[in-house]
Amino acid sequence: AQTVTQSQPEMSVQEAETVTLSCTYDTSENNYYLFWYKQPPSRQMILVIRQEAYKQQNATENRFSVNFQKAAKSFSLKISDSQLGDTAMYFCAFMKPRSNYGGSQGNLIFGKGTKLSVKP
Amino acid sequence: EAGVAQSPRYKIIEKRQSVAFWCNPISGHATLYWYQQILGQGPKLLIQFQNNGVVDDSQLPKDRFSAERLKGVDSTLKIQPAKLEDSAVYLCASSTLFVGKSDTQYFGPGTRLTVL
Repeated sequence: AQTVTQSQPEMSVQEAETVTLSCTYDTSENNYYLFWYKQPPSRQMILVIRQEAYKQQNATENRFSVNFQKAAKSFSLKISDSQLGDTAMYFCAFMKPRSNYGGSQGNLIFGKGTKLSVKP
Repeated sequence: EAGVAQSPRYKIIEKRQSVAFWCNPISGHATLYWYQQILGQGPKLLIQFQNNGVVDDSQLPKDRFSAERLKGVDSTLKIQPAKLEDSAVYLCASSTLFVGKSDTQYFGPGTRLTVL
C-alpha cells in the first residue's frame, strides 16, 4: 500500500521569503502522479502543482516549484516570494493512474499536512 | 465553469441521528469521490463513483454509511446512525475520465459535521 509522509506539522516564513515543505512517499509503482494541494481556512482544497513520475523535469507554477527525487521518493514544495495569502494547510498526495478498467486507481492518498503561516 | 457544489456547509446532530450530504460535480465529470477529513489529518477516500457505478467503496463503513449517484450526476452520502467519531469534514471531488493521463481532482467546499 502507498503511504505519504509529511514530517513538518507546522512551519512559518516571513513575507517575501522562500520556504520549502517536505514530503516523502512509499510505493512499488513506477508510474504515478504526485500533487500538492492547499487548504485555507475556508476548507476548499485547491490544487497547487502536480508532477508525473515519468517526467524528469520538475514542475513549476509561478511562485511554486517542486523538487522531485524519484529514487529517493521525495517530493518537496518550494514557495518563493511568500505572500500572506499562502497561509494554509498544505497536503502532499499520491495517485496511481487509472487503468482502462477503472478500479481504485485514481483516488488520492494524502499526507497529514503541513500548516504554513506567512508572517508580515 | 461552475465548481463542485456541496450542501450543507455545516451540520450539527446528536449521536444516533441520521444526516445526508449532497454533492453536484463539475459538469461533464464522470468520476465522483467522497472523502472524509478528520481534524488534523489528510482526507481519506470513502467511495468513488464512475458515472453511476461504484468503483471503490472498500473504506466505506457500510454498516452506517451509504452513498448513491443514481443518474450519474449528483450524489448523496448518508450516515445512519451517526457516531461521535463521524465528526469530520466531508469533501466531494470530481474528475474527468481520461485514462492514462493525470486526472486532476477538483474539490468542493466541504461539509463540516459535528456529532454531539
